[in-house]
Amino acid sequence: AQTVTQSQPEMSVQEAETVTLSCTYDTSESDYYLFWYKQPPSRQMILVIRQEAYKQQNATENRFSVNFQKAAKSFSLKISDSQLGDAAMYFCAYRSADAGGTSYGKLTFGQGTILTVHP
Amino acid sequence: ETGVTQTPRHLVMGMTNKKSLKCEQHLGHNAMYWYKQSAKKPLELMFVYNFKEQTENNSVPSRFSPECPNSSHLFLHLHTLQPEDSALYLCASSAERGEVVGNTIYFGEGSWLTVV
Repeated sequence: AQTVTQSQPEMSVQEAETVTLSCTYDTSESDYYLFWYKQPPSRQMILVIRQEAYKQQNATENRFSVNFQKAAKSFSLKISDSQLGDAAMYFCAYRSADAGGTSYGKLTFGQGTILTVHP
Repeated sequence: ETGVTQTPRHLVMGMTNKKSLKCEQHLGHNAMYWYKQSAKKPLELMFVYNFKEQTENNSVPSRFSPECPNSSHLFLHLHTLQPEDSALYLCASSAERGEVVGNTIYFGEGSWLTVV
């Protein structure tokens, strides 16, 4: 079974600064997908960024980028030029690329990291 | 605004009540999911529907009963719940294409359930 670990329960950053959230995962699969989701106080789970394991290039979405280290099974999220609206709980998640078996449709989530942004 | 809407957003029910959570997706997706988010626990997948067929049930107690009448609507029927079932229930959807998986799963805003 896959596991996802976020070792930072809480992080804080000053507005306009950069912060990196850590995520490690464990899997025996070679093909999979990794995601970062953001959950603000409204509780909606919002996709931040997605990475395909077969791609060596790190995904980037505006101020958000990842550092994907497949061999180390590490998937960190970097938020540049932090804004007050970035304050939320951030979840790292894993999804198998296997269409069959018991993992279909299953996102395995980490425990989450609460990000506070100070003005 | 979200492409996945859930109602009600908040629900308080007694242990002997019967209630339902509703989810509707406006994204043209063909797969829908129920996830449970409890305090201090990672999100847990409860049910998966693909093209209206239930493909997975992660050992969820029978007091939770899903229904998927079409690819746009998903219900979670609740009866004789326990206080420990109090949680945020998140509906989600994605576009799956047969053997191609990994499409992004989009979530609704969740339904807060309190069992008293």
